[in-house]
Amino acid sequence: DTGVSQDPRHKITKRGQNVTFRCDPISEHNRLYWYRQTLGQGPEFLTYFQNEAQLEKSRLLSDRFSAERPKGSFSTLEIQRTEQGDSAMYLCASSLTSGAQYFGPGTRLLVL
Amino acid sequence: AQRVTQPEKLLSVFKGAPVELKCNYSYSGSPELFWYVQYSRQRLQLLLRHISRESIKGFTADLNKGETSFHLKKPFAQEEDSAMYYCALSGTGTASKLTFGTGTRLQVTL
Repeated sequence: DTGVSQDPRHKITKRGQNVTFRCDPISEHNRLYWYRQTLGQGPEFLTYFQNEAQLEKSRLLSDRFSAERPKGSFSTLEIQRTEQGDSAMYLCASSLTSGAQYFGPGTRLLVL
Repeated sequence: AQRVTQPEKLLSVFKGAPVELKCNYSYSGSPELFWYVQYSRQRLQLLLRHISRESIKGFTADLNKGETSFHLKKPFAQEEDSAMYYCALSGTGTASKLTFGTGTRLQVTL
């Protein structure tokens, strides 16, 4: 499968714990995006990278959230001190510059 | 600010009937518009991109800048079209983040 992959697919954690998600983009894609989707809503943009540079962050991305793409390939999204409001589907997408975005299967997070 | 509006949460049609999923947008520049589809238990997939002007699975969408709309149409609905459909907008320049609508669930019944 040469599509975007995400790990884990599901995560249950207790409030206050830290969680980290991983995204592996399509190999030749230089852009990588993170989105969050809650029930009944469309995906909402969180942040994106061009190669290893993080070029834009949404105001939705509080200081508890951090994303990295250290070598311009895979990316990680960490949420510190999780809150119940962080429960959502976290989606990763990748693209070529000005190309269409291709999405991964998502990581579903439940914070108890 | 970018905004995408999909007024219908659910659209139910009979097999063989025409389908139109509405999408309106708000953007001050020249946007790029997309339709994404999500079938049951599958990931979000690109269906159409307005600059491609393609017809995919019988679906078409025309960008109407005067009405700021990008409605998705298909002349004859099939059962396999049942899915969640999202309209999305990307701005011009280097900021290529997508702004999505809330989605419309299309239900095709016999």
